[in-house]
Amino acid sequence: GENVEQHPSTLSVQEGDSAVIKCTYSDSASNYFPWYKQELGKGPQLIIDIRSNVGEKKDQRIAVTLNKTAKHFSLHITETQPEDSAVYFCAAVATGGGNKLTFGTGTQLKVEL
Amino acid sequence: EAGVTQFPSHSVIEKGQTVTLRCDPISGHDNLYWYRRVMGKEIKFLLHFVKESKQDESGMPNNRFLAERTGGTYSTLKVQPAELEDSGVYFCASSKHAGGETQYFGPGTRLLVL
Repeated sequence: GENVEQHPSTLSVQEGDSAVIKCTYSDSASNYFPWYKQELGKGPQLIIDIRSNVGEKKDQRIAVTLNKTAKHFSLHITETQPEDSAVYFCAAVATGGGNKLTFGTGTQLKVEL
Repeated sequence: EAGVTQFPSHSVIEKGQTVTLRCDPISGHDNLYWYRRVMGKEIKFLLHFVKESKQDESGMPNNRFLAERTGGTYSTLKVQPAELEDSGVYFCASSKHAGGETQYFGPGTRLLVL
């Protein structure tokens, strides 16, 4: 089955700096890669996603890149703000795997003033 | 439009007791999923309903866990009898379609088994 690895487990940046979180996946059949943000006491919220026919997608300060050959995808947050502090999860969905999300282990992002 | 709701938000029970978690998906979403996050590890898939049918229950840990979705609306997840290792956060999610469609998550139920 699919296995998703996520790094780093914790990330601390200064406000205004960029943050990058990286994930790798094992199943070449995976074709959908969402990123979720989880704030304290809340459930995961989708912030951006990318499909395998696209190499990059951007939404304001957030961007995701996908390298299908290397089987890795990354989340980029620019001009970080204190409200970006949260746990971020990457996930993958494999073709024919229903809609089952396989998650990475999460990255605790802290944006310091 | 209301989001995914879960009840209770927290539950503390003793080992051997029974607990039932409830999930109400977004109205009109045929697909309902249960996930679990144990002690800071990754969020793991438990099972997937399409309407009232179990599409995939490959993530269910053992037969102490029973999920139902009678009528294809809300779902319940019962743990009986609960063990210490069942502690964690149980998330429910729903989507209108399957196959790479956005899943919307509820706030989770935090279960602590003592």
